[in-house]
Amino acid sequence: QVQLQESGPGLVKPSGTLSLTCTVSGDSMNDYYWTWVRQPPGRGLEYIGYIYYIGSTKYNPSLESRVTMSVDTSKNEFSLNLSSVTAADTAVYYCARLERLPGWSYYMDVWGKGTTVTVSS
Amino acid sequence: SYVLTQPPSVSVAPGEAARISCGGDNLGTTEVHWYQQSPGQAPVLLIYYDTHRPSGIPERFSGSKSGDTATLTISRVEAGDEADYYCQVWDSSTGFFGTGTKVSVL
Repeated sequence: QVQLQESGPGLVKPSGTLSLTCTVSGDSMNDYYWTWVRQPPGRGLEYIGYIYYIGSTKYNPSLESRVTMSVDTSKNEFSLNLSSVTAADTAVYYCARLERLPGWSYYMDVWGKGTTVTVSS
Repeated sequence: SYVLTQPPSVSVAPGEAARISCGGDNLGTTEVHWYQQSPGQAPVLLIYYDTHRPSGIPERFSGSKSGDTATLTISRVEAGDEADYYCQVWDSSTGFFGTGTKVSVL
């Protein structure tokens, strides 16, 4: 059974870059899209973007100028970089797998447990 | 930006049914997915493609859609169903979540 695990620094300084990695175990990354979602304290879920296993990406327009995603299938992991962070980027960050039936939209069928990132000096 | 509107909260007695709505423009032309987030936990896929239940999700959870409103129904609510529930759709290859609904079991 596929499992996802987020990892990365829990504290990032303002104006710095947030960097997280999601490690995939129990299945190959091939043929799947992979996504990041975040949740600020006490608030709802916010979609960040997705990456295909071969590296193509699509980001949320609201974050597009600051987001970069990458994938390394040899290590079974994909990553998120968010630049120029502020306190508003403080959140729990989740990675998830996107699944779908051909011709239909994607749904997030497997989630990591999430990792808390705080932006503070 | 696509807006999905959910009621902030729903309160229900044990054994009764809870219904959570999700409204958005042209929702009738796209597929709606639902996620359950228990306190302190990651979201879990509850319903996909409006009405489909993943394996392991109890039959008490069901989804429906009429026009531009999707509805998640929890039949015979249990204490363990206390959680936040989110609907989700895709628009122009971007994911959007609903505002979320907190279900409280009285």
